[in-house]
Amino acid sequence: KAGVTQTPRYLIKTRGQQVTLSCSPISGHRSVSWYQQTPGQGLQFLFEYFSETQRNKGNFPGRFSGRQFSNSRSEMNVSTLELGDSALYLCASSLGPAGINNEQFFGPGTRLTVL
Amino acid sequence: DQQVKQNSPSLSVQEGRISILNCDYTNSMFDYFLWYKKYPAEGPTFLISISSIKDKNEDGRFTVFLNKSAKHLSLHIVPSQPGDSAVYFCAASAQGDKLIFGTGTRLQVFP
Repeated sequence: KAGVTQTPRYLIKTRGQQVTLSCSPISGHRSVSWYQQTPGQGLQFLFEYFSETQRNKGNFPGRFSGRQFSNSRSEMNVSTLELGDSALYLCASSLGPAGINNEQFFGPGTRLTVL
Repeated sequence: DQQVKQNSPSLSVQEGRISILNCDYTNSMFDYFLWYKKYPAEGPTFLISISSIKDKNEDGRFTVFLNKSAKHLSLHIVPSQPGDSAVYFCAASAQGDKLIFGTGTRLQVFP
């Protein structure tokens, strides 16, 4: 069974640009969560989508948005990029809503560098 | 406000000895705790979890202990192996809500 895939793996953008990251969950998984990992901050929760609906949202500005398609694939968009958005963006999928008894499986991440 | 804290950014342990990774939390509503392991260039992988109704859960060389009164959990790895060298994250959730992760502890197991 294929794991969680994320594209692209690496991305370089400049300030003010926007970016779209993609995540394909494990087949059959209906929940996709997005996290931002930066040095010293650990993994910060961005949002979770379940059955095309945003189920939960972290404390990030409105520049960060996402969506989920009917095939459970998810995209994350960041507009008006700032230097501080440079991070590893991880997505994780689970069969049901993330939480107890619904283990999350992570993808390898997209390394975004903002210059 | 960091609700889940891993105060040791790094830990170095000799092969064969015990590794103890610690995690503290502030939210008394957390009822589910997990440990993840992360190798460079890979996403985190689930290691072990514990529900708040338990104080210990064991899986092979890995044991997680939960002390609810101290709001503290720890991961014990016995015996430690070089392949255990990675960054370890603890995470917690409250009643199925989003996972809150700690900042991670880098474990190095040397021969």
